[in-house]
Amino acid sequence: GAVVSQHPSWVICKSGTSVKIECRSLDFQATTMFWYRQFPKQSLMLMATSNEGSKATYEQGVEKDKFLINHASLTLSTLTVTSAHPEDSSFYICSASPRGRLGETQYFGPGTRLLVL
Amino acid sequence: RKEVEQDPGPFNVPEGATVAFNCTYSNSASQSFFWYRQDCRKEPKLLMSVYSSGNEDGRFTAQLNRASQYISLLIRDSKLSDSATYLCVASKSGQNFVFGPGTRLSVLP
Repeated sequence: GAVVSQHPSWVICKSGTSVKIECRSLDFQATTMFWYRQFPKQSLMLMATSNEGSKATYEQGVEKDKFLINHASLTLSTLTVTSAHPEDSSFYICSASPRGRLGETQYFGPGTRLLVL
Repeated sequence: RKEVEQDPGPFNVPEGATVAFNCTYSNSASQSFFWYRQDCRKEPKLLMSVYSSGNEDGRFTAQLNRASQYISLLIRDSKLSDSATYLCVASKSGQNFVFGPGTRLSVLP
């Protein structure tokens, strides 16, 4: 089956540092990847849609300069939380849609738990 | 109004009970529907897709009513391992998923 990995799974960092999270589709090509954020006891909130080779589309209220997304290949998207602050502490989850199947299915990575001190 | 809404929950039911989750969506252009389950501190995992004719997978039955823009999930003979948050998802072809807020289920011994 389709597998999506994320790295790292846990990050603890000091306020002001930047954190980079990688999302990889291991056995399929993904022209589109999605980045979600989930706060405790809340549902997933879509942050941005990442398209290979083009700029990401950010949801309303998500700062593109703070959450930098790069989708350089068909199997890798990265999310960089720049100058992280405690309020950025959250569970970040990526998902990927197989090429040509956007809207049909999404496969989720295991998530990255970020704690900013 | 949220694009996808679900029963607020939580649902606390005894083992063996039958439990039903309801979900409504507001975008009539939505074409694909899914139920995901999410365990605490884990990523969502696909439980089942929802088809117009209704579909069943073991103890789980999903139904879709396009006229009412309503989706349901029925779990029969619930097990302790069914305890999770159940997420309803709607999407338009070629578009991203829209998740509902989720309904938490606790199956009690």
